[in-house]
Amino acid sequence: AQSVAQPEDQVNVAEGNPLTVKCTYSVSGNPYLFWYVQYPNRGLQFLLKYITGDNLVKGSYGFEAEFNKSQTSFHLKKPSALVSDSALYFCAVRDPVDSSYKLIFGSGTRLLVRP
Amino acid sequence: DAGITQSPRHKVTETGTPVTLRCHQTENHRYMYWYRQDPGHGLRLIHYSYGVKDTDKGEVSDGYSVSRSKTEDFLLTLESATSSQTSVYFCAISDGVAANKNIQYFGAGTRLSVL
Repeated sequence: AQSVAQPEDQVNVAEGNPLTVKCTYSVSGNPYLFWYVQYPNRGLQFLLKYITGDNLVKGSYGFEAEFNKSQTSFHLKKPSALVSDSALYFCAVRDPVDSSYKLIFGSGTRLLVRP
Repeated sequence: DAGITQSPRHKVTETGTPVTLRCHQTENHRYMYWYRQDPGHGLRLIHYSYGVKDTDKGEVSDGYSVSRSKTEDFLLTLESATSSQTSVYFCAISDGVAANKNIQYFGAGTRLSVL
């Protein structure tokens, strides 16, 4: 069965510093991986995805993520955090042979960027 | 929120009453999903639809039913609400084709409290 783990409930970082939000996955075969962000009282917004190709993918708002097959990880990164990046971040995985396009989500990591 | 309207946005109901949540999309996307969001669990799939009158169960479908009589509308029904169904419910859509076929777009959510 597929699963996604986000080991940190919360990540704290100072504005201007680099940030990393961790995600590991368990899936048979080659996974499709996603990051979504949720701002207060809003739905989830797509940030970026890894389907195939370059292991480093770039997404919205200056975020990027690195796919590491040997470590089964897909960590979200940003070189310089902004206070406005404070939000709830979800990692998700999809089995590419699943024709329903269902996503399995991690439990979420709250990012707090302090001024 | 990408042409997706969820109604109502907030609802308080009593245990044992039926409740229907509506998701309406203007994107003509084939796939529609209902998730619930609970602290520590991330988002969990309740039911999904892959076309008009075509639906299937997700991870946490017990106590829920769905219907899709038109492309644009996907209804989630709690036949007899219980306190364990207090949650935030999100609808998502996906077109299943072209470059964005792996991306799900989310509505703003419905906050349901069952007393």
